[in-house]
Amino acid sequence: GDSVTQMEGPVTLSEEAFLTINCTYTATGYPSLFWYVQYPGEGLQLLLKATKADDKGSNKGFEATYRKETTSFHLEKGSVQVSDSAVYFCALKGYQKVTFGTGTKLQVIP
Amino acid sequence: GAGVSQSPRYKVAKRGQDVALRCDPISGHVSLFWYQQALGQGPEFLTYFQNEAQLDKSGLPSDRFFAERPEGSVSTLKIQRTQQEDSAVYLCASRSPSGSSYNEQFFGPGTRLTVL
Repeated sequence: GDSVTQMEGPVTLSEEAFLTINCTYTATGYPSLFWYVQYPGEGLQLLLKATKADDKGSNKGFEATYRKETTSFHLEKGSVQVSDSAVYFCALKGYQKVTFGTGTKLQVIP
Repeated sequence: GAGVSQSPRYKVAKRGQDVALRCDPISGHVSLFWYQQALGQGPEFLTYFQNEAQLDKSGLPSDRFFAERPEGSVSTLKIQRTQQEDSAVYLCASRSPSGSSYNEQFFGPGTRLTVL
């Protein structure tokens, strides 16, 4: 079945550091890929998405590129802020349901 | 409403009690999903509705879990004879029927269930 593997956290970075959170997936067919973010005390929010190979999703300075050849969708940001502290979930959508990774907690310190 | 709403936000139950969790999807969204998120884990799929039809219930962990959406709008997830392992956040999501948001599921804030 479908599965998502993302790097374990927590990840602790200083403000303005570069962020990479790795995500790889296993799926049949051509899934859509997502990054969701969960801020402390809040619900899941879609951060960005890509629906086909080589698409780049971007939002709020975050980017991720759908790499079919490596089955990856790594999340990157050039300069993190304290306000980016949250849990980040990589996910894929097959036919209907969404399959999530286990989440990576990011803590950004001033 | 502006988004998916769920109630109650928090529920404490004694082991063996039955609970009912409610989800109000975004108006006009025909697809509705339930997920279970254990502490420190990602959400896991439970079941899916299209209008009032439950098209996939493969993720329901046992026959103590039951979901319904009788009029194709509000949905209720019922857990009978709750067990401690049922403690989790239960998330509801709905999806637009068409357009640029078609692939996106919009999540509610969740109901945190604690079984003592």
